Order: sequence, then C-alpha cells, then structure tokens
Amino acid sequence: KAGVTQTPRYLIKTRGQQVTLSCSPISGHRSVSWYQQTPGQGLQFLFEYFSETQRNKGNFPGRFSGRQFSNSRSEMNVSTLELGDSALYLCASSFRGSKVPEQYFGPGTRLTVT
Amino acid sequence: AQKVTQAQTEISVVEKEDVTLDCVYETRDTTYYLFWYKQPPSGELVFLIRRNSFDEQNEISGRYSWNFQKSTSSFNFTITASQVVDSAVYFCALTPIIQGAQKLVFGQGTRLTINP
Repeated sequence: KAGVTQTPRYLIKTRGQQVTLSCSPISGHRSVSWYQQTPGQGLQFLFEYFSETQRNKGNFPGRFSGRQFSNSRSEMNVSTLELGDSALYLCASSFRGSKVPEQYFGPGTRLTVT
Repeated sequence: AQKVTQAQTEISVVEKEDVTLDCVYETRDTTYYLFWYKQPPSGELVFLIRRNSFDEQNEISGRYSWNFQKSTSSFNFTITASQVVDSAVYFCALTPIIQGAQKLVFGQGTRLTINP
C-alpha cells in the first residue's frame, strides 16, 4: 500500500508570496491533518479535514488555510508568506473515529521563505 | 489544554546499551490516546505505538518496550540493546479521543544518538 505523499518536497518562496502544498493520503484514509515543524516551536497542529470539511483547527493565523477534495486529497495554502513560515510541513492521514486512530505521516514539504 | 513534556533534549549512548526516553503528559480529558513516533533524518514521522487511557498494560515489541503509568501521567519508552539504526528524534504525543482523536499534541522530542 502506498504511503502518504506530499508535493513538492522542497520549496523556496519570497516574503509576501503565497504557496500551495499538496497531500495525498493512504488509500482508504479519509482524514488528513497538517502540522508545522520548526526548530523553535516544534511540531504544531494546523488543521484536520475529513469528508471535505475542516474538523479541527490549531492556533494559526488566517493566512493558513486548507481544503480537501472528494478523493480525500488535501491542499494547504499560506498567503502573504513571512520569514517565520519557513518550516517543514507534514501531512498525516488516518481512519478517523475508528479503533485505529493513529496518523501516518508523509515525508513533508520543506518551505524556505527568503 | 494538553501538554506533553520530554525533558531529555538529547541522549547519546554507545551501541548495545539500554536507553529510556521519558514522557510526561498533562490533560483534563478522561479519555485520550498516547503515541510514540520516530523521526529519522529523512524527516518522515514513523508511528511506533498507540496506547489509550483505559489500557495501562505495558507492551514489549522486540527491543522496544513501553511503560504507561496513568498515576504519574507518564508514558516512557525503552530501547534494549540499542543499535546505530535507532538514532533518530523520538516524539511522544497525546490526543483526546473526543473530536476524532486527530489533534496531536507533541512533546519537543528527544534526539537519540547511538554511537558504534
């Protein structure tokens, strides 16, 4: 079974630009969550999507948004990029609400904002 | 609010030594899951184990073992006879079962280095 895939793997953007990251979950998983990992703040939950609806949200500004498509693929968008948005963005998928709730992570997208 | 504390920032041991990674958590939820993940240099978080708040039975899987003690809010992880391939950053995480158990709260991680 293929794992979680994320594209692109690396990205360099300029402050003020916007960026869209993509995540394809494991086949059969309908929940997709996004996390930001930085050296200073560690791993922080951004949001979760299930059945094309945002179900949970972390404490991030409105510049961070996402969506999920009918095939469970998800995209995350960051507008008006700031230097502090430089991070590894990890996507995870799971069987939500089941007896197997663990999330399986993709390799991440490393975003550098200059 | 939930909080996970991994007090050990870095641990370095020689191969074949046993090593224990500590994890202490705080939560007001009565039902929750606890997890351990491993992050090798490649960056991908690898799921190791899940425990729910109802199940305090400890588990052993090969060289890995986990000790969950609800009374002390701890969920420690021991690697027996460590190997160089065990070198990675290890994260302990917590999520309440309510709301679908998808909002993981991570500790800061413990960087484990196994020296040959």
